[in-house]
Amino acid sequence: AQSVSQHNHHVILSEAASLELGCNYSYGGTVNLFWYVQYPGQHLQLLLKYFSGDPLVKGIKGFEAEFIKSKFSFNLRKPSVQWSDTAEYFCAVISSGNTGKLIFGQGTTLQVKP
Amino acid sequence: GAGVSQSPSNKVTEKGKDVELRCDPISGHTALYWYRQSLGQGLEFLIYFQGNSAPDKSGLPSDRFSAERTGGSVSTLTIQRTQQEDSAVYLCASRLSSGRTYNEQFFGPGTRLTVL
Repeated sequence: AQSVSQHNHHVILSEAASLELGCNYSYGGTVNLFWYVQYPGQHLQLLLKYFSGDPLVKGIKGFEAEFIKSKFSFNLRKPSVQWSDTAEYFCAVISSGNTGKLIFGQGTTLQVKP
Repeated sequence: GAGVSQSPSNKVTEKGKDVELRCDPISGHTALYWYRQSLGQGLEFLIYFQGNSAPDKSGLPSDRFSAERTGGSVSTLTIQRTQQEDSAVYLCASRLSSGRTYNEQFFGPGTRLTVL
């Protein structure tokens, strides 16, 4: 079965530090990959997505992710975090088949200290 | 424009009671999903509706869970004889069925269910 693994469960950073959150998926076929963010008290929002083409994907708020097919990875990065980036981050892949249902990783809680 | 809305935002119920959770998708979105977010299991798919097609119920955890979508719009998730392990946040998402946003899902704020 397809699965998504996020290695970092809880990350604490100071403002201006660089961020990289790991995400690995198990599916070997064509993949559609996503990073969603959930700010405190808010609903899940899409940060960025990869369907095809350039493996370096840029999203909102200065986030980017790189799809590395050989490593089955889709890590999220930001060069300089802000206090407002404090949130929970979810990596997800669309499952095989034609429903488009998402398979999520366990999530990473990011805490940015001012 | 209006996003996905869900009601109630919070629901506290007693073990053994039935509950209904409602989702209003974004207008024009024909695909609708229910997910569950719980501490132990993370975010899990429950059920998927697409137009008039038979729903994909493969994620429903037991036969106490059911869902329907009336008129291709509003959806209701029903949990019968609730158990404490049903406590979770139930999320609804919708998406268009064509175009560049084909696979992008928009999530509602969720319903937090607490079973005492």
